[in-house]
Order: sequence, then C-alpha cells, then structure tokens
Amino acid sequence: KQEVTQIPAALSVPEGENLVLNCSFTDSAIYNLQWFRQDPGKGLTSLLLIQSSQREQTSGRLNASLDKSSGRSTLYIAASQPGDSATYLCAAETSGSRLTFGEGTQLTVNP
Amino acid sequence: DTAVSQTPKYLVTQMGNDKSIKCEQNLGHDTMYWYKQDSKKFLKIMFSYNNKELIINETVPNRFSPKSPDKAHLNLHINSLELGDSAVYFCASQERGGSNEQYFGPGTRLTVT
Repeated sequence: KQEVTQIPAALSVPEGENLVLNCSFTDSAIYNLQWFRQDPGKGLTSLLLIQSSQREQTSGRLNASLDKSSGRSTLYIAASQPGDSATYLCAAETSGSRLTFGEGTQLTVNP
Repeated sequence: DTAVSQTPKYLVTQMGNDKSIKCEQNLGHDTMYWYKQDSKKFLKIMFSYNNKELIINETVPNRFSPKSPDKAHLNLHINSLELGDSAVYFCASQERGGSNEQYFGPGTRLTVT
C-alpha cells in the first residue's frame, strides 16, 4: 500500500527566500508524481506533474524533481512571494489511476 | 468556463438525513473521482469511475453510493448521514492513461449536526 509523507508540515519564510518542500513515497512503482496547491477553503490547483520516466519539471519559479529509486520528490520555489502562501500537496499515482496524497506542507511567506 | 464543477458548495444537514452532491466536468475526460478531505486536511480517494463504470471503491461505508449517469457526471449520494461524515468532498476528473493530471472541483463542505 502506497504511503506518502511530506516534510515539513509547516514552513514560514521571509519574502524572497528560496525554499524546498519534500515528499517521499513508499512504493516506487508509480506512474507519475503530482504537486498541487490548495488555498484556504478552496480546491486543488495542479502545479506540476512529473512522469515516472522524467527527472524534473519546471514552471516559472517552480521546479519539481523526482527520484523514483529513492522514493523522493522535491518542489523548489525560487524567490518566494507572499502570494505563494498556501498548502502544498504531493500525490503519487499508482495502478488503477489511484492518487495517494501526502498530508501537505503549509507554507507562509512573510512580507 | 469551469472545468470541474460541484454543487452545492456548502451543505449543512442533520444526522440521519440523505443528501446528494453533484459533479460535472466539461473537459471530455473519461475518468472521474470522489475524494474526502477530513478535518486534518488529509485527502483520501473514495471512488473512481471510468466511462460510467466503477473502477476504484475504497473501504467506504455502503451508505455512500456514487452514480454516474454519463461520463461527464459523477454524483455522490449519502444515506443516513453521521457526524463523522462532516468533511470537504472533492470531485476530480482525468483522461485515463496514468500519465495525465487530475483536475479538481472546488469542493463541497458537508457539515452534519
């Protein structure tokens, strides 16, 4: 059974700082790894999806990496802004289109 | 245009009642899901339908019954609501193949009193 863990659970940084969010998964037989953002009281917004054959994906200030063999993914946010404050969730997709989510990292970027 | 929509956005009801949540996607996807996000914000899959057929059914009480009238709609009916059913329920859709993003609806916050 796939288990996904995210560290840290919460993170508070000053504006402008570069930061890394970590995600680990127990079953390396994944189809892809997806990073989402969730704002309070809102739904999930997909940020990046890394296929199992890829090592990283980039979108603007976001870069996500994937190391299947070690069961790890990281989300790098460059030059953080207050608008980046949200909960970031990673999810691993396994057979049967089954997404298993981590518990999220709550990020606060202080002006 | 809203890709994945859910109604209602908020639902407050008493224990023992029966309620339904509706979900529609206009993305042309063939797979739809229901997830539950509990008070600790943990998201867990409940059901998945592909072309109106059930493909994932997690260990969910049989008081929960998904219904897919067509591949653009996946509704969730809950019988005999309990306090523990209070949560945010998210619908999602995906073009199946295991390589594509899942798109989520805005969620339905269910409160059982």
